[in-house]
Amino acid sequence: GAGVSQSPSNKVTEKGKDVELRCDPISGHTALYWYRQSLGQGLEFLIYFQGNSAPDKSGLPSDRFSAERTGGSVSTLTIQRTQQEDSAVYLCASSLGGQGSVDTIYFGEGSWLTVV
Amino acid sequence: AQSVSQHNHHVILSEAASLELGCNYSYGGTVNLFWYVQYPGQHLQLLLKYFSGDPLVKGIKGFEAEFIKSKFSFNLRKPSVQWSDTAEYFCAVTRTGFQKLVFGTGTRLLVSP
Repeated sequence: GAGVSQSPSNKVTEKGKDVELRCDPISGHTALYWYRQSLGQGLEFLIYFQGNSAPDKSGLPSDRFSAERTGGSVSTLTIQRTQQEDSAVYLCASSLGGQGSVDTIYFGEGSWLTVV
Repeated sequence: AQSVSQHNHHVILSEAASLELGCNYSYGGTVNLFWYVQYPGQHLQLLLKYFSGDPLVKGIKGFEAEFIKSKFSFNLRKPSVQWSDTAEYFCAVTRTGFQKLVFGTGTRLLVSP
């Protein structure tokens, strides 16, 4: 696609429910990233995919958070048993990728999650 | 751990004033440096980047940044700001050869007309 596409753009969920956030990267981009932006905070790295594998998932805050990527394209970030502190904007980004390379990273518009 | 510091959290300027936003990073190895901008209601966009070569980098919309290795700094500058520059600016760093981009906490710039 022309840009990184994320859905839903807004999600309100009850505490304790599970949520899934979807990311469709730019066509041809092999690297995919998830970040979290909380109110008043910077961007917090969550996980990085190269193809379907995740060489760096050091930023996932707890075992309630998981992510997968299939077909080297679409990725899903799942948050189980949501808590109020999970409320944030979840940003997906992609780049051309390739092991050891450094490219410009392009961001989607984010999924705004509110846990009530 | 690698970290990025942006010292100015909020900056208010009048149009035509000059801008300099500070960015310092902690990693001592070879790095790649970025400035991203987020306009109100929009997604993050790349403003400029430094990978190697000339340490003075020019980006879009008249912005530039200078990489000073000895000071671990990558400050963003613009000689004359416009009202449309009102946005949040993020400095980011990655180690050469690694994909993880580490961001600063951002600087909110408000330009009054």
